[in-house]
Amino acid sequence: GAVVSQHPSRVICKSGTSVKIECRSLDFQATTMFWYRQFPKQSLMLMATSNEGSKATYEQGVEKDKFLINHASLTLSTLTVTSAHPEDSSFYICSANHPGQGNYGYTFGSGTRLTVV
Amino acid sequence: AQKVTQAQTEISVVEKEDVTLDCVYETRDTTYYLFWYKQPPSGELVFLIRRNSFDEQNEISGRYSWNFQKSTSSFNFTITASQVVDSAVYFCALSEGNNAGNMLTFGGGTRLMVKP
Repeated sequence: GAVVSQHPSRVICKSGTSVKIECRSLDFQATTMFWYRQFPKQSLMLMATSNEGSKATYEQGVEKDKFLINHASLTLSTLTVTSAHPEDSSFYICSANHPGQGNYGYTFGSGTRLTVV
Repeated sequence: AQKVTQAQTEISVVEKEDVTLDCVYETRDTTYYLFWYKQPPSGELVFLIRRNSFDEQNEISGRYSWNFQKSTSSFNFTITASQVVDSAVYFCALSEGNNAGNMLTFGGGTRLMVKP
């Protein structure tokens, strides 16, 4: 079945530094990937839609200059949290749709727990 | 705009009890997909079921069953004879249309605690 690999699973960084999170589709090509953020005891909120070869589409309220998304290939999307602050500490999870399954084949990565100290 | 509401934020039951998690959705599309996911403490999302808007047939999978009613825009999830391992946060989600580029909208989640 479709597999999405996300790394790292956990990261602790100092305030003011940048962190990159990778999301790879291992056995299929994903023209679209999604990035979600989940604060403790809350739901998953879509941050942005990542499109291969073009700019990401950000949801309202998400700073595109702070959360840089690059989808340079059909199997890799990256999310870089720039100048991280403690309030960016959260669980970040990506997902991709298998192209043969329309919008009913969502596969999720295992998530990245970011802690900014 | 699509919206998913899970009115129950937390449910606590004793093992072997049956429990139903409610999900109500809003959409203007006639084509859409509904999902349930389980999120254990480790954080990963475990896919449980997917339903399209044209298939209202209820489904049973082991101790899990789902009741889809378009008339009330509900997609409820029942666990029969609950077990401690069922303790997790459960999310209902909706995707409109029929395109791989369409996003998933999640409900607020229901935290289920099954006590021995």
